[in-house]
Amino acid sequence: AQKVTQAQTEISVVEKEDVTLDCVYETRDTTYYLFWYKQPPSGELVFLIRRNSFDEQNEISGRYSWNFQKSTSSFNFTITASQVVDSAVYFCAFRTGNQFYFGTGTSLTVIP
Amino acid sequence: DTAVSQTPKYLVTQMGNDKSIKCEQNLGHDTMYWYKQDSKKFLKIMFSYNNKELIINETVPNRFSPKSPDKAHLNLHINSLELGDSAVYFCASSRKRTSGGGETQYFGPGTRLLVL
Repeated sequence: AQKVTQAQTEISVVEKEDVTLDCVYETRDTTYYLFWYKQPPSGELVFLIRRNSFDEQNEISGRYSWNFQKSTSSFNFTITASQVVDSAVYFCAFRTGNQFYFGTGTSLTVIP
Repeated sequence: DTAVSQTPKYLVTQMGNDKSIKCEQNLGHDTMYWYKQDSKKFLKIMFSYNNKELIINETVPNRFSPKSPDKAHLNLHINSLELGDSAVYFCASSRKRTSGGGETQYFGPGTRLLVL
């Protein structure tokens, strides 16, 4: 069973618009971790954030913010005032114990 | 200095050949991983090693074998290469797994394997 769902396959926005990337996870475990990674066109995987299941506090890092809601099993990622350099594939990932799953990724294109 | 490095960056080879991809990390991490990313960008974990012990082994063909000479290295050997093995292979590392398994993984730049 798929543990992480990123329903948005591709998103295009115009520069300076805000954009939210959705991530929904499925688990019966009480202890788990959620991650977001960025994969720019150059191909490397860049860590963005880690969240544990006991910390629902939202986080902001510059133009990036994350909204973790256990009630809806979601861990959404918002980019404010998007820039062309934000164009990339973004992966949400879930880990519990020895099990680690990546979502299928959301390809974001920011149009200048 | 590169935290997680992989060699080679590109690998083009014929079906049936045996090849290896090397991975090294200088982060002092205890656990290393191999991932496969297919042409549709889907990422799947293949192996992880913690203190030279295999702790994750997903259902990958036994033609794939990880080799860890020490904590800083986890090499991936592939025997009898097939067309379907063409993909990008990422190495990653993290601190030793604790209860819950939430350690952040840092990835290498990837090795693009093309089997002809």
